[in-house]
Amino acid sequence: DAGITQSPRHKVTETGTPVTLRCHQTENHRYMYWYRQDPGHGLRLIHYSYGVKDTDKGEVSDGYSVSRSKTEDFLLTLESATSSQTSVYFCAISPTGGSGNTIYFGEGSWLTVV
Amino acid sequence: AQTVTQSQPEMSVQEAETVTLSCTYDTSESDYYLFWYKQPPSRQMILVIRQEAYKQQNATENRFSVNFQKAAKSFSLKISDSQLGDAAMYFCAYRSLSGADGLTFGKGTHLIIQP
Repeated sequence: DAGITQSPRHKVTETGTPVTLRCHQTENHRYMYWYRQDPGHGLRLIHYSYGVKDTDKGEVSDGYSVSRSKTEDFLLTLESATSSQTSVYFCAISPTGGSGNTIYFGEGSWLTVV
Repeated sequence: AQTVTQSQPEMSVQEAETVTLSCTYDTSESDYYLFWYKQPPSRQMILVIRQEAYKQQNATENRFSVNFQKAAKSFSLKISDSQLGDAAMYFCAYRSLSGADGLTFGKGTHLIIQP
């Protein structure tokens, strides 16, 4: 196991409510990522972080924000959840950005917005 | 921006036979990395194999091997002696040399193993 813990693993929430997903790593890796997986789309990058307080947008960042105040934690926040954000969310980590080192994935968080 | 295309939404193979999953990609970069990930019903993303573009030799991991054709921008995965446990979604992914922005994935191929 890559030492990645996502929480919560399953959540049902109502439209318009805020939701925060947490990714915690024990590997001290520099890079962290949030992806979402939807049928017919594979995995798409939401946001990523290349260090504490250093983050950037991915392909599908609208409606999401992130924060990284410590190396080990990367938070994904849906400020006002919508039904289109019903998805499986994966956190991933990587030791560096430029070496081609493998990206390791967490087990996923199932989010349903009703 | 890079794109990854998996043209086979679903493939089926008899147990113990060989199957090849296709992947093509588009990039203007000369150095990069390519990966195949397996996603069983548990949804865990499991690395199957990786290839560095600067290496001409095709990567191999036990029953899994790739056919990397850099000029054609093709990166297929061959699974030999297919086993029931190989049934899963398989994703092809690209990572640039800088790699800061992670992986670009194809949409996946659902592999069915017939007993």
